[in-house]
Amino acid sequence: GESVGLHLPTLSVQEGDNSIINCAYSNSASDYFIWYKQESGKGPQFIIDIRSNMDKRQGQRVTVLLNKTVKHLSLQIAATQPGDSAVYFCAENTLTDKLIFGTGTRLQVFP
Amino acid sequence: DTGVSQDPRHKITKRGQNVTFRCDPISEHNRLYWYRQTLGQGPEFLTYFQNEAQLEKSRLLSDRFSAERPKGSFSTLEIQRTEQGDSAMYLCASSLSDRGDYEQYFGPGTRLTVT
Repeated sequence: GESVGLHLPTLSVQEGDNSIINCAYSNSASDYFIWYKQESGKGPQFIIDIRSNMDKRQGQRVTVLLNKTVKHLSLQIAATQPGDSAVYFCAENTLTDKLIFGTGTRLQVFP
Repeated sequence: DTGVSQDPRHKITKRGQNVTFRCDPISEHNRLYWYRQTLGQGPEFLTYFQNEAQLEKSRLLSDRFSAERPKGSFSTLEIQRTEQGDSAMYLCASSLSDRGDYEQYFGPGTRLTVT
């Protein structure tokens, strides 16, 4: 069946360090993935996406890596800032454009 | 602010009561989605509309749940005979599918507490 999961529920990093958040998916037919950031009391906010014909995509301070062989993707945040503290979800966009989300990883940034 | 609004932001109701939530998507978006999110979990898909047509419903959407998008603009989600297990954040999202732009923009959600 389809499922998207995350390896670590909580990640604590020091301000200025790089963060890496991992995600595994099970549907090998998936061709589009998105990372969302959700702050307390808010809806998910789009960060970056990647299609299956790519293995890397970069944004501003964020990079998403996709390894289709092991069905794994990761979100890298460079120079993590206090404002990056949130829950991060990977999501799989299905053929009907509904999103399947994982459980989420809470990123805590300490000074 | 993504441009998607939801009302109310918070709702407390007693078990057995009916509740209705409203979502106003970004005006030119033709797709509208409802998700439910419980504490510590990712959002779960409930249903979605393309214009006024409801194209897909999750098995999570029991017969106590109904959603409408009568004019292809705003949408309502009604829960009848609420149960404590319905307590969750109800999220709405919209997207413009015509351009192949898959990005879904989420509203702030309606937090439902059933006592």
